[in-house]
Amino acid sequence: DAGITQSPRYKITETGRQVTLMCHQTWSHSYMFWYRQDLGHGLRLIYYSAAADITDKGEVPDGYVVSRSKTENFPLTLESATRSQTSVYFCASTKGTSGTNEQFFGPGTRLTVL
Amino acid sequence: AQSVTQLGSHVSVSEGALVLLRCNYSSSVPPYLFWYVQYPNQGLQLLLKYTSAATLVKGINGFEAEFKKSETSFHLTKPSAHMSDAAEYFCAVSEGNTGFQKLVFGTGTRLLVSP
Repeated sequence: DAGITQSPRYKITETGRQVTLMCHQTWSHSYMFWYRQDLGHGLRLIYYSAAADITDKGEVPDGYVVSRSKTENFPLTLESATRSQTSVYFCASTKGTSGTNEQFFGPGTRLTVL
Repeated sequence: AQSVTQLGSHVSVSEGALVLLRCNYSSSVPPYLFWYVQYPNQGLQLLLKYTSAATLVKGINGFEAEFKKSETSFHLTKPSAHMSDAAEYFCAVSEGNTGFQKLVFGTGTRLLVSP
């Protein structure tokens, strides 16, 4: 019963490098999300996906790319990392279908861009 | 567009005291409201949610919240704080029930509990 997992849990990289954060869920949830958490901002939505091959931008999508070739995986790529992308990144999933459905969160990835 | 305001980035209480964390929302349609808790180095987990069935909602770990439409509020309370309640708490809102709706989160309130 793994639920939703993220890897790596911690990552240090340099400005300009490409970084991919992985997210995997075992519930076959339709919807998946990527958030970033920064002090004073709470959680802000980067991208979300309604199903395999269907993705859409959230509040802060610039500098990020997502894909979803399989229902259970939703990787987030920083094509050319910047210091402003230093943050804690959370992946989440939900069955969707209703505004009452709760989102389930992974443990997070702490990314530092030097 | 909906939004959430959490008053107070930090709240300090003594063990055994009342916990009150404030959340006000803005929504153009009847909202659905959520409280999540985040323990250190962990993801968020759901405490409770309001889905229009009852205005007083009971959640896990003795927490409850009351939906007040006239005040556009959804404050979180617990009668007696425990040391294990120390965490960050997030209020979130989604709009309506017509299919999928995104969550919008507040900026969070860190609860500090002293012995």
